[in-house]
Amino acid sequence: SAVISQKPSRDICQRGTSLTIQCQVDSQVTMMFWYRQQPGQSLTLIATANQGSEATYESGFVIDKFPISRPNLTFSTLTVSNMSPEDSSIYLCSVEWTQPKNIQYFGAGTRLSVL
Amino acid sequence: KQEVTQIPAALSVPEGENLVLNCSFTDSAIYNLQWFRQDPGKGLTSLLLIQSSQREQTSGRLNASLDKSSGRSTLYIAASQPGDSATYLCAAGRSGSRLTFGEGTQLTVNP
Repeated sequence: SAVISQKPSRDICQRGTSLTIQCQVDSQVTMMFWYRQQPGQSLTLIATANQGSEATYESGFVIDKFPISRPNLTFSTLTVSNMSPEDSSIYLCSVEWTQPKNIQYFGAGTRLSVL
Repeated sequence: KQEVTQIPAALSVPEGENLVLNCSFTDSAIYNLQWFRQDPGKGLTSLLLIQSSQREQTSGRLNASLDKSSGRSTLYIAASQPGDSATYLCAAGRSGSRLTFGEGTQLTVNP
């Protein structure tokens, strides 16, 4: 299995600012994903981040609001830009592990509150 | 568009009881079905993964089944314990390894 570290674990931010969340994996992985979990709701996929290519965003999510970097096979960042209170959520990264095929492992998440 | 539904939304049982959590999905063309556990304030822990060609998977006291034709999966927990208390999420896998999650079942096992 993969060990995934997310930083920060939580943060309180002011409206209009930006926060960058880091996701570090202890092994090289091809596919990494970023999810959002709004209060009381389930997880929604924001984007898929593959090394060496632009992130692929799901419907309703745009690069200007959620820019993603994937500089190598063990690291990715998600930035939440120009934040508003509606961005208050838990943000989670996940990785796809190849054995068993397609199983996904998740980080502990970043709990973001926007005032 | 794939939609995943979990029933019940919440469940409270006494310790030792066997229980079944239900998951249904609208598009049967899934790649796999994965069950997760989420503890309060924590991330997700993968419990079981069923490939689309499989019917069930077992791990300890957990057994998950998959019926693609009817769009259903169940998670069976045997001899429940207070430590099983958590929110259980099912997720349908689609192309590109993307997951569509259900809303979850919040389970409380009372001592």
